[in-house]
Amino acid sequence: EVQLLESGGGLVQPGGSLRLSCAASGFSFNSYAMSWVRQAPGKGLEWVSTISGSGVSTYYADSVKGRFTISRDNSKKTLYVQMNRLRAEDTAIYYCATNSREAATGNAWFAPLGQGTLVTVSS
Amino acid sequence: QSVLTQPPSVSGAPGQRVTISCTGSSSNIGAGYDVHWYQHLPGTAPKLLIYANANRPSGVPDRFSGSKSGASGSLAIRGLQAEDEADYYCQSYDSSLSGYVFGTGTKVTVL
Repeated sequence: EVQLLESGGGLVQPGGSLRLSCAASGFSFNSYAMSWVRQAPGKGLEWVSTISGSGVSTYYADSVKGRFTISRDNSKKTLYVQMNRLRAEDTAIYYCATNSREAATGNAWFAPLGQGTLVTVSS
Repeated sequence: QSVLTQPPSVSGAPGQRVTISCTGSSSNIGAGYDVHWYQHLPGTAPKLLIYANANRPSGVPDRFSGSKSGASGSLAIRGLQAEDEADYYCQSYDSSLSGYVFGTGTKVTVL
């Protein structure tokens, strides 16, 4: 069974940093791109970032570009996102997601997504 | 902000059929990229409902169907059930943004 388990969420002050992790199991981790998707309170789903299966290619939403860094450790089957210079508008549930292909761009869907971890940016 | 537009809400009585539209542009759905649909219940992980425009993953009831035409996609739910009450999102790829995009989301209410 494919499982994704996010961790690392919590309360952080504006301007602070946080690193989220996503432990994957039940599939060939390095064969699939992985993504982060978030949902702010009362808002819809928003794509945040994607990394290719090899880890070579990364892409970011404009809202996080230059502040967030996605990475993966295929030997540990774990996905990460380092979030720096956090803002109040980054407050959201962050979901880890498996892409349907190895490449980080082009036609792809997300399945499955994890249960999410809550990040709250507030003073 | 989302580049795929959905109606904020749709509703129907049990047993009825409802449809949700997803309107994109020439850089995403209109460029030939597929439309995918997710069902999201509060407090749970979003669940893939339809992939590549019209395909259902294993375990998804055939009451759910999808289609694509031009720069738009559509999700239909026939035989509406109380358990279908949830938020629904479309998703595609956008070549101008070099990234994935979600729709604005539609809340389905079973009357």
